[in-house]
Amino acid sequence: DAGVTQSPTHLIKTRGQQVTLRCSPKSGHDTVSWYQQALGQGPQFIFQYYEEEERQRGNFPDRFSGHQFPNYSSELNVNALLLGDSALYLCASSLALQGNNYGYTFGSGTRLTVV
Amino acid sequence: SQQGEEDPQALSIQEGENATMNCSYKTSINNLQWYRQNSGRGLVHLILIRSNEREKHSGRLRVTLDTSKKSSSLLITASRAADTASYFCALRGVNAGNMLTFGGGTRLMVKP
Repeated sequence: DAGVTQSPTHLIKTRGQQVTLRCSPKSGHDTVSWYQQALGQGPQFIFQYYEEEERQRGNFPDRFSGHQFPNYSSELNVNALLLGDSALYLCASSLALQGNNYGYTFGSGTRLTVV
Repeated sequence: SQQGEEDPQALSIQEGENATMNCSYKTSINNLQWYRQNSGRGLVHLILIRSNEREKHSGRLRVTLDTSKKSSSLLITASRAADTASYFCALRGVNAGNMLTFGGGTRLMVKP
């Protein structure tokens, strides 16, 4: 049973560039959430996708955008990268029908370094 | 703020001892979850406790929730070196939709 798969595992980008991170949810899951985790801190919610639409968004600027595909996989795009965007980006999947009282399944994350 | 605050920030114990981590918060919650993270990689869901529950067990884990004090604790009994990790509480707030709000984490080191 494949868990959540994220790619790439590591990425180095230059300030001002754009980046795309990818996530395949756990088999059977239909909802994907993205989190940003700065070094030494807890993860912060970026947004959640369900039925190919952004269902909820956290306190992140419009430079952060996403997409969900018909197979439930998802992309996170960040434009005009800043040094402060350096972080571990985590993807979490869940099944909408299960409701709120289930935990998320997280991927291993993508470590983004902006230089 | 909905964010959970964890205490202590770091904890070092000997193998076989019990480890207790605490989480305090300020909002009304639907549930509170605990996650483990090894070496800055992915999070692993450990246990979820609903707002109408007071205690839950899973193997060597025991979680308590006191909604009147807006606090939760995670107890790991008979700790092992493999329990060395960061532990995070995550809140599902009543008015937060599907968003989980994480605390800053407790870094646990279990010495063999």
